[in-house]
Amino acid sequence: LAKTTQPISMDSYEGQEVNITCSHNNIATNDYITWYQQFPSQGPRFIIQGYKTKVTNEVASLFIPADRKSSTLSLPRVSLSDTAVYYCLVGPNNAGNMLTFGGGTRLMVKP
Amino acid sequence: GAVVSQHPSWVICKSGTSVKIECRSLDFQATTMFWYRQFPKQSLMLMATSNEGSKATYEQGVEKDKFLINHASLTLSTLTVTSAHPEDSSFYICSAPGQDGYNEQFFGPGTRLTVL
Repeated sequence: LAKTTQPISMDSYEGQEVNITCSHNNIATNDYITWYQQFPSQGPRFIIQGYKTKVTNEVASLFIPADRKSSTLSLPRVSLSDTAVYYCLVGPNNAGNMLTFGGGTRLMVKP
Repeated sequence: GAVVSQHPSWVICKSGTSVKIECRSLDFQATTMFWYRQFPKQSLMLMATSNEGSKATYEQGVEKDKFLINHASLTLSTLTVTSAHPEDSSFYICSAPGQDGYNEQFFGPGTRLTVL
């Protein structure tokens, strides 16, 4: 599985757009990029998944450049409740595969 | 969406005792489930893959005789921490793959184990 690198932590303020970048230089051709969110003392929750270009859902957008060696999770207008750890994962598009979590990015949203 | 539950949500036990944690897929079947362990301020570490009707597959460094996994039905996997010690205190999380073909897994709420 491709290794991922993310910033350890980020701070933001309510109402701002937050962009979290993940590096995955060794991504394979059949790998997808998936982001999970984890609140303290809870299990992770799926946010978004993409293969290339841009994906948007009701929660976030995922930007993937043509070389796919990195990706950016964009959270529009964050609120205090978006304070969480965000994990970027790279792997085949098969839900039956085990997930390998990297260190994640601890986002702190301040009032 | 699919829901995965865990029971108990937290447990405190004495050193040397065994603790069983249940993971259930509530509205879907899961032939495979995964067990993770998470220490404070750290990421999730995969412990084992639970397979319905067959033996679990353990990750390197995880003692299969200490962490017993039983996947007796398509909706239930159990993790038993045998002869628990304080260093086993952690947050245990299970997950089950989704059914929609995407690389999405549904995670349980986790079980906080504290061994005194």
